[in-house]
Formats: sequence, structure tokens, C-alpha cells
Amino acid sequence: DGGITQSPKYLFRKEGQNVTLSCEQNLNHDAMYWYRQDPGQGLRLIYYSQIVNDFQKGDIAEGYSVSREKKESFPLTVTSAQKNPTAFYLCASQLVGGANVLTFGAGSRLTVL
Amino acid sequence: DAKTTQPTSMDCAEGRAANLPCNHSTISGNEYVYWYRQIHSQGPQYIIHGLKNNETNEMASLIITEDRKSSTLILPHATLRDTAVYYCIVRPRGRDDKIIFGKGTRLHILP
Repeated sequence: DGGITQSPKYLFRKEGQNVTLSCEQNLNHDAMYWYRQDPGQGLRLIYYSQIVNDFQKGDIAEGYSVSREKKESFPLTVTSAQKNPTAFYLCASQLVGGANVLTFGAGSRLTVL
Repeated sequence: DAKTTQPTSMDCAEGRAANLPCNHSTISGNEYVYWYRQIHSQGPQYIIHGLKNNETNEMASLIITEDRKSSTLILPHATLRDTAVYYCIVRPRGRDDKIIFGKGTRLHILP
């Protein structure tokens, strides 16, 4: 079945360490997105990519980096510059030109110790 | 900023219809209304979308006012599994730019 796979589901890291969250989709979707969610809050956009080798900053890009070397993959790196990285991270994708429905992954929960 | 306004939380008795309002007074002519829901600690799930006509699918109905400044998502027979946060967003169809989610409405289905 087609879908989006995020890994790992749970991740712990020490302060000062970079960590990379994986997002892979086999839906042949063009656009991919990363959102951050804090407890009791809505989704905030970190980065998005409309095409391979191109991406744009969202509302809270500071302390994060992404790459889009393949259509299927959009990894997110949480760098040591991100001051409050503990959060739930959601990846989504969308087929451009259709109904514009977002498909989300199950999320990755990052905890900084 | 999100272009929509939703109540922070709502309660609904199990078996009754849950009516979730959304205000989008600045909606443009080419923007659709989309609804998603997020069950605790999961990724959001698409429910329904529409432009100006009322829409219905197996999950819900969407009622959009004639002036398109507000809409209501209707879950006809709410169950405990419908307890979730419901997000209303507006965006043009066919675009792949940034998509902004607000805080949504936390719907509690009461047994």
C-alpha cells in the first residue's frame, strides 16, 4: 500500500547533538512538508519542497535543515542551533494539481534530554 | 497566520450529530475549504473539502454558507472514535505552496 513512512517513531538525543528524521513516500507525490507540533498546539510549518532539489522555509525554519535529493525522500535535520527541539514532528506529501489533499505520516517524537 | 477561526473545544454526546464551525471571512474566490482531523499522537487525516456547494462523503458532510465566509463540518452520528482535533484550512486547489494549520477544535465525544 502507498503511504508515508517516518522514522524513527521515538528518538532521544542529548543537547548539542544533531539528529535527522527520515520521511519517505511511495505515492509519487511532488510536494513534501515538515511540520512541528508542541503539546496542545496546532501544526507549524518548518520547511516544504515542491520539487526535487528545491525547498522553501516555512514559519519556523531556524535551527532546522532539509534536503530533497530524491522525489521520494525529504529528511529533516534538527541541529544544535534549535533551542527547543523537543516536539512531535510530522511529514506530509501532496500530489500537485489534483485535489490537493495532504497525506501525513505517523510522526516522530523527539525528546532532548 | 491561519486564515480560519475555530472554537477551541466542543463536546458532543455519542450518537448525536457533531457540528463543528469554521469562520473564514477573508476567503478568496479560488480557495477551497479543507477539513482534517488528528487523533491523539497520530498524523492528521483528510476528511472532506469543498468550494461552494455542500459536500458529503462516507465520513462527514460539509456545509458552506452562500457568502462562503463560514462553514460547518457535520459528523452525523458521532462515536467515541471521533474524539480528535479538527482543523479547518483554506487554500487554492492546484497549488503546492505553504499550507497553514491553525490550532483547530478539540472535539470530545461524551459517552
